[in-house]
Amino acid sequence: KQEVTQIPAALSVPEGENLVLNCSFTDSAIYNLQWFRQDPGKGLTSLLLIQSSQREQTSGRLNASLDKSSGRSTLYIAASQPGDSATYLCGLGGATNKLIFGTGTLLAVQP
Amino acid sequence: KAGVTQTPRYLIKTRGQQVTLSCSPISGHRSVSWYQQTPGQGLQFLFEYFSETQRNKGNFPGRFSGRQFSNSRSEMNVSTLELGDSALYLCASSRVLAGAYNEQFFGPGTRLTVL
Repeated sequence: KQEVTQIPAALSVPEGENLVLNCSFTDSAIYNLQWFRQDPGKGLTSLLLIQSSQREQTSGRLNASLDKSSGRSTLYIAASQPGDSATYLCGLGGATNKLIFGTGTLLAVQP
Repeated sequence: KAGVTQTPRYLIKTRGQQVTLSCSPISGHRSVSWYQQTPGQGLQFLFEYFSETQRNKGNFPGRFSGRQFSNSRSEMNVSTLELGDSALYLCASSRVLAGAYNEQFFGPGTRLTVL
């Protein structure tokens, strides 16, 4: 059974700092991994999708990496801004079109 | 391009009642999935519909059901509501191409409160 862990559970950083969020999983037989952000009381916004054959994806200040052999993915946020404050979730896609989610990292970027 | 829409956005029901939630996927997306999000259990997969057929189902009781229409719009129904059904219900849509699983896009959710 796939288990997904996100560390840290919460993180507070000053504006402008670069930061890394972690996502660990127990079963390496994944098809893809998707990073999302969720603002309070809102739905999920897709940030990046990495297919199992890829090692990383980049979008603007965001870079996500995937290492299936070690069961890890990281989301790197460069030059953080207060608008980046949200909960960040990783979702793992397996042999079906179903995502298994971690519990998320609550990020606060202080002005 | 319009995103995933969900109606209603908020619902308040009492125990024992039933409720129907609606989801309209992004145009051209034929897969619709439903998730339940609670503070205690996080995000949990309910079921997925593709071409009007349920393809996958999560570990939820039979009180939770759904369907998909020919235009890919989907509804989920919860019968005999319990206090523990209070949650944010999220719908996600995606294109499904042969040999690949694609990016999933989520709607804003329906906040269900059971009193």
